[in-house]
Amino acid sequence: SQTIHQWPATLVQPVGSPLSLECTVEGTSNPNLYWYRQAAGRGLQLLFYSVGIGQISSEVPQNLSASRPQDRQFILSSKKLLLSDSGFYLCAWSRDPKTQYFGPGTRLLVL
Amino acid sequence: AQSVSQHNHHVILSEAASLELGCNYSYGGTVNLFWYVQYPGQHLQLLLKYFSGDPLVKGIKGFEAEFIKSKFSFNLRKPSVQWSDTAEYFCAVNPTNDYKLSFGAGTTVTVRA
Repeated sequence: SQTIHQWPATLVQPVGSPLSLECTVEGTSNPNLYWYRQAAGRGLQLLFYSVGIGQISSEVPQNLSASRPQDRQFILSSKKLLLSDSGFYLCAWSRDPKTQYFGPGTRLLVL
Repeated sequence: AQSVSQHNHHVILSEAASLELGCNYSYGGTVNLFWYVQYPGQHLQLLLKYFSGDPLVKGIKGFEAEFIKSKFSFNLRKPSVQWSDTAEYFCAVNPTNDYKLSFGAGTTVTVRA
């Protein structure tokens, strides 16, 4: 069966520091991968998605970037964090444009 | 781009009461429809989904949802809730063959024992 991992689970970072969140999927090959941000009362916002290694689509302009160095690895990064980057970040995978399966998430607090 | 509206921000119920959560979307073409649930301290899980066929969809834990195409709605129902149904519920939509899933703002359901 497929599983999706995210780490760290919680992260507290100072403003201006870099960020690297990692997501890996096991039990499937060539998944579609997604990064979402969940804000209280605002649902989930799609940030990036990837249909293959090195292929990244950005949905909203922002201070973040994404990379896919390996087939089942998806990384969310920032060179300099802003206060507004605080939130709950979710990674998801799918085999096709249908059902997406979500990871446990990373709670990021920027101080 | 499609958008999703969930009508209730917070619903408080007693055990054994019936639950109905509203979801409407705006998109003119064919869509895939989903309800996800996030229990306290747990990650987002798929509750049920609709791709095509019978518009009444049954999911896990006694939940069901009905797709009414003419109303652009996909309301979630459960005839008798339990305390363990306390969670946040999200409706989501994507156009058929499109990767971009749009979520509603979510409805927090609190079930009192």
